[in-house]
Amino acid sequence: QEQLVESGGGVVQPGKSLRLACVASGFTLKDYGVHWVRQAPGKGLEWVAYIWYDGNNKYYADSVKGRLTISRDNSNDTVFLEMNGLRAEDTATYYCAKEGGARGRYYYYFLDVWGKGTTVTVSS
Amino acid sequence: ELVLTQSPGTLSLSPGERATLSCRASQSVSSGYLTWYQQKPGQAPRLLIYGASIRATGIPDRFSGGGSGTDFTLTISRLEPEDFAVYYCQQHGSSPPYTFGQGTKLEIK
Repeated sequence: QEQLVESGGGVVQPGKSLRLACVASGFTLKDYGVHWVRQAPGKGLEWVAYIWYDGNNKYYADSVKGRLTISRDNSNDTVFLEMNGLRAEDTATYYCAKEGGARGRYYYYFLDVWGKGTTVTVSS
Repeated sequence: ELVLTQSPGTLSLSPGERATLSCRASQSVSSGYLTWYQQKPGQAPRLLIYGASIRATGIPDRFSGGGSGTDFTLTISRLEPEDFAVYYCQQHGSSPPYTFGQGTKLEIK
């Protein structure tokens, strides 16, 4: 069974840093693009960042650009989200998700495997 | 930047009824790039529909998606108790940002 597991969340003061990790079981993560999606308490989903399978391209939401950095270590089949200059509004559950694809009339993209999430709380 | 607006914010229905959820885009979205997710309390989102109308593996056929351009819908033909959840649409095309709608909460009446 394909699964993703996030780790690294915790309580951190404003301005501090945190690094989240995402590892897979049941499949090889290095073959896929990976997204981070977050959800503030009681709020909806917010797409955060995306990295290609080979790490050659990375994309960010405007709200995190310059502060959060997505990366991957394909030799250890792990994807990271480095979080610097954390703010109260970064408080959320962070999910990593595998980008799946399918061919048809178009080439379809979707997030077909999600982790259970790791919680980040930014508070003094 | 693309904005996805979902309506209604909350939908109150009874098991057995039909649910229709709307996702409206601020600019045209290719049908190939519109996805729907279901999220239950305390759980991660679950892929339901991709390509606007293609059910993901294991999704019951009471779930159907449709629409094109700026207006998309998710329909649940006969609600089962396990369908009461929050539903999100997302633009997942070839380039970011991969915007989510704000969600529709489907609650038991």
